[in-house]
Amino acid sequence: GESVGLHLPTLSVQEGDNSIINCAYSNSASDYFIWYKQESGKGPQFIIDIRSNMDKRQGQRVTVLLNKTVKHLSLQIAATQPGDSAVYFCAENIQGAQKLVFGQGTRLTINP
Amino acid sequence: DSGVTQTPKHLITATGQRVTLRCSPRSGDLSVYWYQQSLDQGLQFLIQYYNGEERAKGNILERFSAQQFPDLHSELNLSSLELGDSALYFCASGSHLSGGDTQYFGPGTRLTVL
Repeated sequence: GESVGLHLPTLSVQEGDNSIINCAYSNSASDYFIWYKQESGKGPQFIIDIRSNMDKRQGQRVTVLLNKTVKHLSLQIAATQPGDSAVYFCAENIQGAQKLVFGQGTRLTINP
Repeated sequence: DSGVTQTPKHLITATGQRVTLRCSPRSGDLSVYWYQQSLDQGLQFLIQYYNGEERAKGNILERFSAQQFPDLHSELNLSSLELGDSALYFCASGSHLSGGDTQYFGPGTRLTVL
């Protein structure tokens, strides 16, 4: 079936450390993946995306890695800052499904 | 700022009532998506419109309906409201017909049903 899930519901890291948020997906037909950040009381904000023909994509302080062999997606945030505290969602597009499927989210807390 | 606007920001109403949530997509986007997010829950896809036509349906209750107008703004109508309908309702927009493309979210409408 189609599902996008997250390994950990919460993650705490020290300010300045790197963080890794993981996401598992079950459908090998998924061809597009997005990471969103949602701060309290706000709408999800696009962070970075990756298509299935890539295995890595970098943005500003963020890197998304895609391992199609084990159907795993991760978001790496370098040198975390207090403003990185939020819930992070991964989303996948299953080819032909006409919609994104969102995971439940991981709450990232940055400790001072 | 994503460029997607939603009104109102907050809505408080009573059970049994009907409300309308409004969304204006980013300039140039033809697709509008509606999502429901309950407390500490993920995003539940409700419905998608593309250029005025319904394109995809998710877990949308029969008491809920939506439409997209010629100017591309969209409205989500929620009727016979129940306590469990209290949630954040997000609208997102995208430029493509397929749901599988980047969606940009609005700030949401927080609905409280008392």
